Amino acid sequence: GNSVTQMEGPVTLSEEAFLTINCTYTATGYPSLFWYVQYPGEGLQLLLKATKADDKGSNKGFEATYRKETTSFHLEKGSVQVSDSAVYFCALPTNTGNQFYFGTGTSLTVIP
Amino acid sequence: GAGVSQSPSNKVTEKGKDVELRCDPISGHTALYWYRQSLGQGLEFLIYFQGNSAPDKSGLPSDRFSAERTGGSVSTLTIQRTQQEDSAVYLCASSFSVRGELFFGSGTQLSVL
Repeated sequence: GNSVTQMEGPVTLSEEAFLTINCTYTATGYPSLFWYVQYPGEGLQLLLKATKADDKGSNKGFEATYRKETTSFHLEKGSVQVSDSAVYFCALPTNTGNQFYFGTGTSLTVIP
Repeated sequence: GAGVSQSPSNKVTEKGKDVELRCDPISGHTALYWYRQSLGQGLEFLIYFQGNSAPDKSGLPSDRFSAERTGGSVSTLTIQRTQQEDSAVYLCASSFSVRGELFFGSGTQLSVL
């Protein structure tokens, strides 16, 4: 079945540092891949998504490329800000869509 | 409102009591999911509703948990005879299409004393 494995945290970076959060997946077929973000005290919200191989999702300076060869969907940002401090989740649906599998979440803290 | 609404936002109950958690999805969204998020844990799938089809209950952890969705809209998650290990944030999400973007509510923080 489908699954995701996400880099463990927590991650602490200085402002303007480069961020990578690794996510690899196992899937039959080519489901859409998602990154969700949970800011302190809030619910999860979609950060970006990619619907097919080689697609690049991007939003708020974050990017992730759907790589079929390496079964990866790593999240990157070239220069993080304090406001990016949050928990990030990689996710993909089952083929039937009856549920989404989420990674364990990576907590990011950006210090000034 | 335009988003997924969950109530109550916080619920404190005593062990052994029953609780009801409510989710009001975005209008027109046919898919509705319940997840549980425990401290330091990932998201645990509980149940899935799609339109008028029978729900997928495969994630419910015990027969103390049940959920219904009335008229394809509002959903209620009921936990009977609550236990301390039920303490968690219960998240509801809805989606317009199968395997599409999920829209989450802010969750219900359940604390069982």
